[in-house]
Amino acid sequence: EVQMVQSGAEVKKPGESLKISCKGSGYSFIRYWIGWVRQMPGKGLEWMGIIYPGDSDTRYSPSFQGQVTISVDKSITTAYLQWSSLKASDTAMYYCARAGYNSPGVMDVWGQGTTVTVSS
Amino acid sequence: SYELTQPPSVSVSPGQTARITCSGDALPNQYAYWYQQKPGQAPVVVIYKDSERPSGIPERFSGSSSGTTVTLTISGVQAEDEADYYCQSADSSGTVFGGGTKLTVL
Repeated sequence: EVQMVQSGAEVKKPGESLKISCKGSGYSFIRYWIGWVRQMPGKGLEWMGIIYPGDSDTRYSPSFQGQVTISVDKSITTAYLQWSSLKASDTAMYYCARAGYNSPGVMDVWGQGTTVTVSS
Repeated sequence: SYELTQPPSVSVSPGQTARITCSGDALPNQYAYWYQQKPGQAPVVVIYKDSERPSGIPERFSGSSSGTTVTLTISGVQAEDEADYYCQSADSSGTVFGGGTKLTVL
């Protein structure tokens, strides 16, 4: 069974750093792009960026470029989304999803989501 | 930046046909994808590459494309189809989601 399993909920203070994870299993991890999506409370989906585990090719939405870092460790089939200095406005649900075979495409398998709460 | 425009809401009675549109300048040249999201759940793809339906998605879900508009059609709407629906596509600057459409089954 193809699965994307995300790390658990996080509660952080403004200015703190954070790295959340997304572990893929049941498929050829290095051949599928993995994407990250933000959903702020009561709002719609926002595409943040994607990474190709085969060569770590990474593409960011202009809205998120410089605000987050997407990375991958293919040895443990896990992708990451990280912040160096969180803001209250980063409070949201973050989803990862498998996002296309060899080239970016449909997000066909989603993780369960990771809730990030940033509050002083 | 690239934008995809969806109506905020669509309402239909059970058994009727719901049509949700998504407009964007690059849609004639890029595939569109549709996702269903129910409260408290992760999104699920219901249509990919404009009109392809993944296995496990009911046949009442279909997609079409015409010029700068793609349409998700749900024929014979059921109560369980009440959800938010998002289109997704890309242009040269990147990938975006539409703002989402809340489908209400009356």
